[in-house]
Amino acid sequence: DAKTTQPNSMESNEEEPVHLPCNHSTISGTDYIHWYRQLPSQGPEYVIHGLTSNVNNRMASLAIAEDRKSSTLILHRATLRDAAVYYCILSRVSNYQLIWGAGTKLIIKP
Amino acid sequence: DAGVTQSPTHLIKTRGQQVTLRCSPKSGHDTVSWYQQALGQGPQFIFQYYEEEERQRGNFPDRFSGHQFPNYSSELNVNALLLGDSALYLCASSRRGLMNTEAFFGQGTRLTVV
Repeated sequence: DAKTTQPNSMESNEEEPVHLPCNHSTISGTDYIHWYRQLPSQGPEYVIHGLTSNVNNRMASLAIAEDRKSSTLILHRATLRDAAVYYCILSRVSNYQLIWGAGTKLIIKP
Repeated sequence: DAGVTQSPTHLIKTRGQQVTLRCSPKSGHDTVSWYQQALGQGPQFIFQYYEEEERQRGNFPDRFSGHQFPNYSSELNVNALLLGDSALYLCASSRRGLMNTEAFFGQGTRLTVV
């Protein structure tokens, strides 16, 4: 079954770029790649999603490998408010499910 | 726009009891999905409702059931509660499914079974 693999935690300095990796080697051709983040005691918050091409929005950029077996979420300039658990997720069109990984806890150092 | 609202925010129940959790989706959204999130883990998909029908179900027993109303709001019912059902229950809403659109999550209901 498809799944995603992420590092348990990462640290970064404030105002520096952050690259959060995700492996999804069993991804199928129609699976979308989503990223959500979750702050303590809150529900998950949408960050970005894509299918094949790299994507940019006001929050972040998503770089998708050519073979789609991995992707990287890029926060261009991390702030303390970006400290959260970041989830890399596959969305399976065939069964309407979001397949969540264990997430990466991002720690931002001032 | 109130976004996704869930009630109650916290709940304590005794083993064997039944519980009902409620979710109002974001305005304009017609699809509701429910997730269970154990402490320190990622959310696990329970089921999704669209057009008042359960469209897909995750790997959860029949003790977990749901309903969607004509106004798109939804309920999650859990019967015969077990200690292991203690978790944060999250509701997410979207338009016609979550696959290639942004989903909005509520703050969740923290259920504690004692």
